[in-house]
Amino acid sequence: AQKITQTQPGMFVQEKEAVTLDCTYDTSDQSYGLFWYKQPSSGEMIFLIYQGSYDEQNATEGRYSLNFQKARKSANLVISASQLGDSAMYFCAMRAQGGSEKLVFGKGTKLTVNP
Amino acid sequence: GAVVSQHPSWVICKSGTSVKIECRSLDFQATTMFWYRQFPKQSLMLMATSNEGSKATYEQGVEKDKFLINHASLTLSTLTVTSAHPEDSSFYICSPKKGSNSYNEQFFGPGTRLTVL
Repeated sequence: AQKITQTQPGMFVQEKEAVTLDCTYDTSDQSYGLFWYKQPSSGEMIFLIYQGSYDEQNATEGRYSLNFQKARKSANLVISASQLGDSAMYFCAMRAQGGSEKLVFGKGTKLTVNP
Repeated sequence: GAVVSQHPSWVICKSGTSVKIECRSLDFQATTMFWYRQFPKQSLMLMATSNEGSKATYEQGVEKDKFLINHASLTLSTLTVTSAHPEDSSFYICSPKKGSNSYNEQFFGPGTRLTVL
């Protein structure tokens, strides 16, 4: 079975600073994908970044980067130059390739960006 | 990204009534549809997976007779909450999947907030 663990219920960061949101995962699959989503108070799930298990380089998307450490089974999200609009819930999720390919989510981290 | 719509965005109903939620993928065909439920301050929990034209597969603990899923076309799926009760009040989110090659993306509808009085 797959499991995602996000150990930080809440995080605070000053505007313009960088912040790391932790995510560890557990799976016996060799091929899998890791996702990060942002959920503002409106409820919509906004896709941020994806990392495949066979990708050799860490994924980056603008101010978002994923610190992927396969041996440690961690996929931390790094947000650089935080903005007030980054305040939201952030979810880490995993999907095994093949099968139903459903996403399994962590419990989430609430990020608050202070001015 | 992909455009996914859900209707209604919010609904309030009386206990015992049924509510239908529609999910449409507007710019792609969804071979698979995932339906999630999210209680306040909690994570998304998968309720069921459906493929176009076939019966849905429900997760353990989800009553298939209570949560009816229809995936009649590649662009439309519906979730009907039958005989709703206050404990069914939640945020329901659909997530259509394009196809087997879209392994690196998964989009979500804007969600439907259901309140059962």
